[in-house]
Amino acid sequence: DGGITQSPKYLFRKEGQNVTLSCEQNLNHDAMYWYRQDPGQGLRLIYYSQIVNDFQKGDIAEGYSVSREKKESFPLTVTSAQKNPTAFYLCASSTRDTQYFGPGTRLTVL
Amino acid sequence: AQSVSQHNHHVILSEAASLELGCNYSYGGTVNLFWYVQYPGQHLQLLLKYFSGDPLVKGIKGFEAEFIKSKFSFNLRKPSVQWSDTAEYFCAVNKGKSGGSYIPTFGRGTSLIVHP
Repeated sequence: DGGITQSPKYLFRKEGQNVTLSCEQNLNHDAMYWYRQDPGQGLRLIYYSQIVNDFQKGDIAEGYSVSREKKESFPLTVTSAQKNPTAFYLCASSTRDTQYFGPGTRLTVL
Repeated sequence: AQSVSQHNHHVILSEAASLELGCNYSYGGTVNLFWYVQYPGQHLQLLLKYFSGDPLVKGIKGFEAEFIKSKFSFNLRKPSVQWSDTAEYFCAVNKGKSGGSYIPTFGRGTSLIVHP
């Protein structure tokens, strides 16, 4: 069963703590992406990776970090430097020109 | 910088009404255009896409979109909506190639509520 999995679905953290969101895909896609979705603001690109061991900042990378050690995995760390981390986070992977999305992780920082 | 505008932020319709959601982009080159839909509690999924050829594109669930190059528009239409079309709709435009893949820019989304 091919697809993109994100875990956990809901995540609660205390302010000041770093937290890592998981994203795994078995679609054999080279490219993977992280987006943040806030009400009324659409999807904003945080980071993307075209290939293993390489990644690029998106439009709102400050306060986030990523790694791409395996083709299947692209974890996102929300650091304490992110001013407003409470949001819905979406992971995607793509063929050359079409993206496919995971179910998302809703992060709430208390 | 490229941008994507969705002019209708919230749309409320009754079942059987016709739907048109606007999408305009600002980019002068060749574009790939997409509409994604996010049903309540579900993944964001592709509704339809345009790369080239016939500017009238048919998607899933009776949706279609028309690419009008002179107007930089890619409006989404459905002649008769159903309650199950209640969802958030996003227009996206490929920003341009970075490495081996395109990086799309998304609009802010339109929330559609269909009353039975």
